[in-house]
Amino acid sequence: EVQLVESGGGLVQPGGSLRLSCAASGFTFNSHAMTWVRQAPGKGLEWVSLISGSGGSTYYADSVKGRFSISRDNSKTTLYLQMNSLRAEDTAVYYCAKVNYYESSGYSDFDFWGQGTLVTVSS
Amino acid sequence: ERVLTQSPATLSALPGEGATLSCRASQSIYSNLAWYQQKPGQGPRLLIYGASTRATGIPARFSGRGSGTEFTLTINSLQSEDFAVYYCHQYNNWPLTFGGGTKVEIK
Repeated sequence: EVQLVESGGGLVQPGGSLRLSCAASGFTFNSHAMTWVRQAPGKGLEWVSLISGSGGSTYYADSVKGRFSISRDNSKTTLYLQMNSLRAEDTAVYYCAKVNYYESSGYSDFDFWGQGTLVTVSS
Repeated sequence: ERVLTQSPATLSALPGEGATLSCRASQSIYSNLAWYQQKPGQGPRLLIYGASTRATGIPARFSGRGSGTEFTLTINSLQSEDFAVYYCHQYNNWPLTFGGGTKVEIK
C-alpha cells in the first residue's frame, strides 16, 4: 500500500525558513518523480515543485522559484521542500504526491497524495 | 501558462441524479488532463487521467471525455460519497496547473 506522510509544518514568521518532509513507502521510490502541491485556506490547489526520480531534474512554479528548493533522499525514501524567505501568501496546506510517467506524455497525473501539513506564515 | 477554467463553481444535485462538470483550457493540452476528487480534510484522490482513463479502483459511474481545450467529467447517479470538490489538472505544459474547482453539493 502506498503511503505518503508529510511533516515539518508549523508557524513561522515572515522571512523565515522551514523544511517539509514527506516519508514514502509502498512503492519503488527512486523510480518515480515526486511533487509538492499546496492549498491556501479555503482555496484551490496550486502546484509548487516537482523532482525526477533520480533527483537530477527539478521544476518550480514562478511563485516560489528562487525561494524554495525541492530535494530527495532515495536511501531514506523521503522527499523534502526547503522553504526560505517565507511570505504570508505561502500559508497553505502542503501536500506531497507521487507522479506517474508515461513515454507518450512524460510526467503525468499525481496518483497518490499524502494528508498534508499546514504551514502558517504570520508574525 | 495554460489556464484551466472550471464550471460551474458549484453544482447542486440530488443523490441518484447525474452531474456534468466542465474544464476548459486556454490553449490545447491534447489529452494531458487529470481529474481529482477532494473531501474536507483529505488529500485529493485521482479519478481520471489521460482525459478519459479511470484510475485504479474508481467506479464506472465516473467518466471523462474531451481533448484539446474542452473536457468534461460526468458522474452518473450520484452517491452520497460523491459530494465533494473536483479539480482538473493539466500536465501538458510547464508550469503544471489546476482548475479552480467545482463543488458538488447536495440539493
